[in-house]
Amino acid sequence: DIQMTQYPSSLSASVGDRVTITCRASQSISTYLNWYQQEPGKAPKLLIYAASSLQSGVPSRFSGSGSGTDFSLTISSLQPEDFATYYCQQSYSTPRYTFGQGTKLEIK
Amino acid sequence: EVQLVESGGGLVKPGGSLRLSCAASGFSFSSHTMNWVRQAPGKGLEWVSSITSSSSYVYYADSLKGRFTISRDNAKNSLYLQMNSLRVEDTAVYYCAREVATDYYFDYWGQGTLVTVSS
Repeated sequence: DIQMTQYPSSLSASVGDRVTITCRASQSISTYLNWYQQEPGKAPKLLIYAASSLQSGVPSRFSGSGSGTDFSLTISSLQPEDFATYYCQQSYSTPRYTFGQGTKLEIK
Repeated sequence: EVQLVESGGGLVKPGGSLRLSCAASGFSFSSHTMNWVRQAPGKGLEWVSSITSSSSYVYYADSLKGRFTISRDNAKNSLYLQMNSLRVEDTAVYYCAREVATDYYFDYWGQGTLVTVSS
């Protein structure tokens, strides 16, 4: 199975900050990488698909980049509603999808 | 509006069975591959199972070891997960999720249903 590792596992930041979350795959996955946001007690929400495509309705402060094994999710200016947990997901080995362990973004 | 609504969760003893349902609306259910994803309390997301649009192909996580069965009824716009020989480690919130075939991602998720396996 393809292993996905996210860095960091947790992150403290302030409103207005620019933050980047990294996701690394155990083998090359081209751009088959998706990002989800999950607020406490809620279902995950798709943010970015195919490494860099912004899902409809998602604010443009979210962006994704990368290919091969290294990927990143950047939030250009943190808003209060962005404090949540973020997961990457590889879809290269579909349907055997695997997720990263998550990055919890907390208010500093 | 796309909606996915799971039901059927609850408390069950180890070794017991449970059948989860996911009612879909607002889109052409029969055109999409559907998935189950679970999340143990305080843990991350784990893909469980997938079924193609016409039920031609089904897939399971290796960790399930043949205990779960995914199915769908396109006439009823419903997805199911039959879970047998449940273990304590199957305790989780179970989500159904719609798959987009072009780039393989999950664009809509249900609110989840909690399965608790405990004696």
